[in-house]
Amino acid sequence: DIQMTQSPSSLSASIGDRVTITCWASQSIASYLNWYQQKPGKAPNLLIFGASTLQSAVPSRFSGSGSGTDFTLTISSLQPEDFATYYCQQSYTTPLTFGGGTKVEIK
Amino acid sequence: QVQLVQSGAEVKKPGASVNVSCRASGYTFTSHVMHWVRQVPGQRLEWMGWINAGNGDTKYSQKFQGRVTVTRDTSASTAYMELSSLRSEDTAVYYCARDSTEVVPVADTFDYWGQGTLVTVSS
Repeated sequence: DIQMTQSPSSLSASIGDRVTITCWASQSIASYLNWYQQKPGKAPNLLIFGASTLQSAVPSRFSGSGSGTDFTLTISSLQPEDFATYYCQQSYTTPLTFGGGTKVEIK
Repeated sequence: QVQLVQSGAEVKKPGASVNVSCRASGYTFTSHVMHWVRQVPGQRLEWMGWINAGNGDTKYSQKFQGRVTVTRDTSASTAYMELSSLRSEDTAVYYCARDSTEVVPVADTFDYWGQGTLVTVSS
């Protein structure tokens, strides 16, 4: 199985900060990498697919980059509604696997 | 608008089975694969398998092979996930999630999710 590792597991940031979350795959997954946002008690929400393509209706302050084994999710200017947990997921092969999550909290 | 509505919370005893339903609306049910994903409290999301709602083909994670069965009723636009031989470690929120592309090739990307169904396994 492909192992997905995220860093950091949590971070504290202020409104307006630039936030970067990293995700590593245990083997190359080309650009088959998706990012989701999950708020407490809710289902995850797709933000980015194919490593860098923004899902419809997702604000442009979110961006993704990377290929192979190293990927990044960036929030250019953190907004109050962005405090949540973020997960990466590889769609390269089954079993589909997720990272452990990064919880973004208010500083 | 696309909606996936799941059945309500369940409490089961160890060794029992649970059946969770997922009713789809707002799109052509048979044009998309439906995935099942679970989230044990405090742990990462875990993919269980999918069903091609058009032809009924299924694919399961080896971790759950033999214990999970995913079916669908096209007349009701509903997918079902049955998990058998339940143990306490199966206590989790179970989600259905639509695949983002119209069937082939499967994108293995989840663009719409159900609200989740809490399954508690306790003696």
